[in-house]
Amino acid sequence: DVKVTQSSRYLVKRTGEKVFLECVQDMDHENMFWYRQDPGLGLRLIYFSYDVKMKEKGDIPEGYSVSREKKERFSLILESASTNQTSMYLCASSSHQGHGNTIYFGEGSWLTVV
Amino acid sequence: KQEVTQIPAALSVPEGENLVLNCSFTDSAIYNLQWFRQDPGKGLTSLLLIQSSQREQTSGRLNASLDKSSGRSTLYIAASQPGDSATYLCAVSSGNTPLVFGKGTRLSVIA
Repeated sequence: DVKVTQSSRYLVKRTGEKVFLECVQDMDHENMFWYRQDPGLGLRLIYFSYDVKMKEKGDIPEGYSVSREKKERFSLILESASTNQTSMYLCASSSHQGHGNTIYFGEGSWLTVV
Repeated sequence: KQEVTQIPAALSVPEGENLVLNCSFTDSAIYNLQWFRQDPGKGLTSLLLIQSSQREQTSGRLNASLDKSSGRSTLYIAASQPGDSATYLCAVSSGNTPLVFGKGTRLSVIA
């Protein structure tokens, strides 16, 4: 069974803390994505990666960075967490972009910044 | 820039009713369109994927259609059940760019 695993489901962090959200997929997918989801705003793309050590900015990259040192792992980093980064974060992976392959999502990570 | 709109934002129907969810997109040059289901507090699960060359796809009680030229897709759910209650999202793939999502339709099926 295909799997995208987000290591932390619920986190509470303080303003200014450095936060790491980890995502691992076991499908040997080239593409990985980080979205955040907020009520009324839908899913917004933060960063994505088409291969190891590659990264591309999405629609809302400000305040975030990413790391992809291994094919199966894509990490989202909040260098200095702020309250407006309180959100649900969703990781996803797919085998080829835009060519008819299904994208798989993790269960999500709920981050609260206080 | 591709934009995806879903109407209505929320829908409540009695159990057993057939229903249609709508999705529209602004740029008809797409590779495919996907419908997803999201349960509260969970990730997204892919339901149906329609390639740009296809007109529809079916899975069980679900049928998705695609009219690329008019920039529209519908998700038809037959004989709705309380277990169908969830948020349904559509997303389009255009060229070598990530999926663009609509904001979803929140469906409640009342027993």
